[in-house]
Amino acid sequence: GQQVMQIPQYQHVQEGEDFTTYCNSSTTLSNIQWYKQRPGGHPVFLIQLVKSGEVKKQKRLTFQFGEAKKNSSLHITATQTTDVGTYFCAWTGSNTGKLIFGQGTTLQVKP
Amino acid sequence: DGGITQSPKYLFRKEGQNVTLSCEQNLNHDAMYWYRQDPGQGLRLIYYSQIVNDFQKGDIAEGYSVSREKKESFPLTVTSAQKNPTAFYLCASSRTLADNTIYFGEGSWLTVV
Repeated sequence: GQQVMQIPQYQHVQEGEDFTTYCNSSTTLSNIQWYKQRPGGHPVFLIQLVKSGEVKKQKRLTFQFGEAKKNSSLHITATQTTDVGTYFCAWTGSNTGKLIFGQGTTLQVKP
Repeated sequence: DGGITQSPKYLFRKEGQNVTLSCEQNLNHDAMYWYRQDPGQGLRLIYYSQIVNDFQKGDIAEGYSVSREKKESFPLTVTSAQKNPTAFYLCASSRTLADNTIYFGEGSWLTVV
């Protein structure tokens, strides 16, 4: 069956350092979405990637979808304390058609 | 002001009691969802509804029930049959089931005492 792993589970960085979280699938994904959840808050949609090799940027955030559509990454350049939170990837299940969420990567930023 | 409203934000329940969490949206979305999040965990789908008067079980539906009598409303009842109900519950909606960019409410914290 389809298996998607999000890594790392936790990441602590010094403010100003870069951060990357990855989602890796055993099968081809039709699309992938990224969400951010601040501590105590609810997930907020960031972006959706659909095309093979797609790269999208939002200010200091860069999102990539692999050529084989099996991998995706979210990269934050020069982290700030406002970047603290948990970042989830999500994808449409091949059997169900419903959105499935990864386990998330929790980012801590030391000022 | 458009969005998804969940209430209550915090709820305490005694063991053996049913409790209903409210979810209302004014986004005119057809699809609505309930997710459960445990501390340090991802989101697990409880129930979802594609359209009014229709709903389907998600991955962890046991001990929960829902209704979808109105497009705007998708209440979740946590029954006494749910063995470990203490969690953060998130209601969400999307324009359609196929257009699954999901927008979340602010969540409800349920604690069983």
